[in-house]
Amino acid sequence: ETGVTQTPRHLVMGMTNKKSLKCEQHLGHNAMYWYKQSAKKPLELMFVYSLEERVENNSVPSRFSPECPNSSHLFLHLHTLQPEDSALYLCASSQGGVGTGLSPLHFGNGTRLTVT
Amino acid sequence: GQQVMQIPQYQHVQEGEDFTTYCNSSTTLSNIQWYKQRPGGHPVFLIQLVKSGEVKKQKRLTFQFGEAKKNSSLHITATQTTDVGTYFCAGKGYSGAGSYQLTFGKGTKLSVIP
Repeated sequence: ETGVTQTPRHLVMGMTNKKSLKCEQHLGHNAMYWYKQSAKKPLELMFVYSLEERVENNSVPSRFSPECPNSSHLFLHLHTLQPEDSALYLCASSQGGVGTGLSPLHFGNGTRLTVT
Repeated sequence: GQQVMQIPQYQHVQEGEDFTTYCNSSTTLSNIQWYKQRPGGHPVFLIQLVKSGEVKKQKRLTFQFGEAKKNSSLHITATQTTDVGTYFCAGKGYSGAGSYQLTFGKGTKLSVIP
């Protein structure tokens, strides 16, 4: 049990579909992150939320839309994705954002996304 | 921007042999973190190094942070099959305008032959 729960674990969607990934953390952390993990590439930071405010957006295409309704929940809304978006999407949380403090990241199990 | 290079990309060892992965940053780091990801799993935090020249041990794992705070290594003594997985370093460096960024290396995938 990681303390960070992601659903669904697996998702297959067509390029015209709209879906959402959900993340919930039970650790009392105040920062949440979305990372993309593709084969043979480093972990790519997509979005950072600190105290429910988006503090970082690393030039991610607009077909990915994050939402953080409170400090325990994070969503990633997906629409009109491309096959190259197929990857493992990891949610993480920490006590304090990347720009503050030294708190490590606690990752969820990830959502394996396949875009057909 | 900040880049973190990690070598080797893959390492196959016989059970009982030692293993080392190296991490090099293009810029001076404020700290470095190490994570392990088992096959089919997610990255799990192992340790964080902050001080120049710091050495930390966790049972058979030894972590070092270079004097210049630009490189780090993870050494595993007498590998076991439970050590299988991908080991990532992640360096935190100053990215300007009062903010820091955490940059992951590509990871070293360790296979242990029983």
